Amino acid sequence: GALVYQYPRRTICKSGTSMRMECQAVGFQATSVAWYRQSPQKTFELIALSTVNSAIKYEQNFTQEKFPISHPNLSFSSMTVLNAYLEDRGLYLCGARTDFYEQYFGPGTRLTVL
Amino acid sequence: GDSVTQTEGLVTLTKGLPVMLNCTYQTTYSPFLFWYVQHLNEAPKLLLKSSTDNKRTEHQGFYATLHKSSSSFHLQKSSVQLSDSALYFCALRTSGGNYKPTFGKGTSLVVHP
Repeated sequence: GALVYQYPRRTICKSGTSMRMECQAVGFQATSVAWYRQSPQKTFELIALSTVNSAIKYEQNFTQEKFPISHPNLSFSSMTVLNAYLEDRGLYLCGARTDFYEQYFGPGTRLTVL
Repeated sequence: GDSVTQTEGLVTLTKGLPVMLNCTYQTTYSPFLFWYVQHLNEAPKLLLKSSTDNKRTEHQGFYATLHKSSSSFHLQKSSVQLSDSALYFCALRTSGGNYKPTFGKGTSLVVHP
């Protein structure tokens, strides 16, 4: 079956430090990978979308300088939160999409900033 | 741009009653609609999907019909269970544009005994 793994599941970092999270799609060919942040209020914010043969597209309020993403292939993607502050806390979800527009989510990386 | 509007906030029901969570969308492209369910401390999981007009799709007792004429994809269940308590998100993807996925703000369903 189609699975998306994310690690770490939880992480705590000091304000001003950085942390890296990873996402791996298993069992299917992901045509795109999207990174989301789910706020404590549970709303989704799309951070960036990476699609086959296209550059990574960041949404407004999210930049490559703050959330650099690396994707050597569409089965694996990593994102770093640089200089994390309180407003960066939340659940970071990776969504990998199939050719049929289905999107499978990983379990998320919960970031706590002290 | 694309948008999704769904029943916001909290829906509280007694076990065994029917439920309908509204979802409407706006796009100029051909739509693919999804419902995701997110249980406490879990990742969202795909519940239903559709791109076919006026065709009912069902899964785990939930059902929805995409109506392009009214731009709607309401989620329904005839008899809710305690285990249905979760967050439900309606999402839109399109066949054109920049493939950006659009989520509604989510509806929290709480089912009481």
